Amino acid sequence: EAGVAQSPRYKIIEKRQSVAFWCNPISGHATLYWYQQILGQGPKLLIQFQNNGVVDDSQLPKDRFSAERLKGVDSTLKIQPAKLEDSAVYLCASSTGHGSYEQYFGPGTRLTVT
Amino acid sequence: GQSLEQPSEVTAVEGAIVQINCTYQTSGFYGLSWYQQHDGGAPTFLSYNGLDGLEETGRFSSFLSRSDSYGYLLLQELQMKDSASYFCAVRDPRGQNFVFGPGTRLSVLP
Repeated sequence: EAGVAQSPRYKIIEKRQSVAFWCNPISGHATLYWYQQILGQGPKLLIQFQNNGVVDDSQLPKDRFSAERLKGVDSTLKIQPAKLEDSAVYLCASSTGHGSYEQYFGPGTRLTVT
Repeated sequence: GQSLEQPSEVTAVEGAIVQINCTYQTSGFYGLSWYQQHDGGAPTFLSYNGLDGLEETGRFSSFLSRSDSYGYLLLQELQMKDSASYFCAVRDPRGQNFVFGPGTRLSVLP
């Protein structure tokens, strides 16, 4: 089966600009996650969707970050405006359901904010 | 809240056995997972422990002691390709998602 797809793989922007990331989860996976991984650290959950509803967005900086999963399949994560500290890898993951303990990660988007 | 501790780095030689420890403090506990991540790559799932004891998957084993809030990943017959970062993660009872530890960087030497 095809894995989790993400695009773009790399993005360089200047601070205060906006950027969007796209994720297509594994077919049939109901749960989708966006993580931020700063170099040398573990992934930090930004938002979790169950189908097209938000389960947990408690760590999403909502003043600048937004995410949607309109049809319960693919998802976009947006940052507007970007700050230097947003430089990180943004990982998308999916799992079969709310209680599943195995997550499948995409290759990530490496964002550099200058 | 949840907090996890792992050693930052571990070094071992090819063919050896290495143990990567994880201690956690959580308001509730539903399970401990382990992921492997090569430089520039995506995390990949290795194992899950929901109950106390040892889970074995090929060269990798994972152990959990809920009474000690402690787990470890055991890698046997180390190979060069095992050089990677290893993350433990505990399930957050609020949203059924996982909180990841800081990671342990394993270097396997020839």
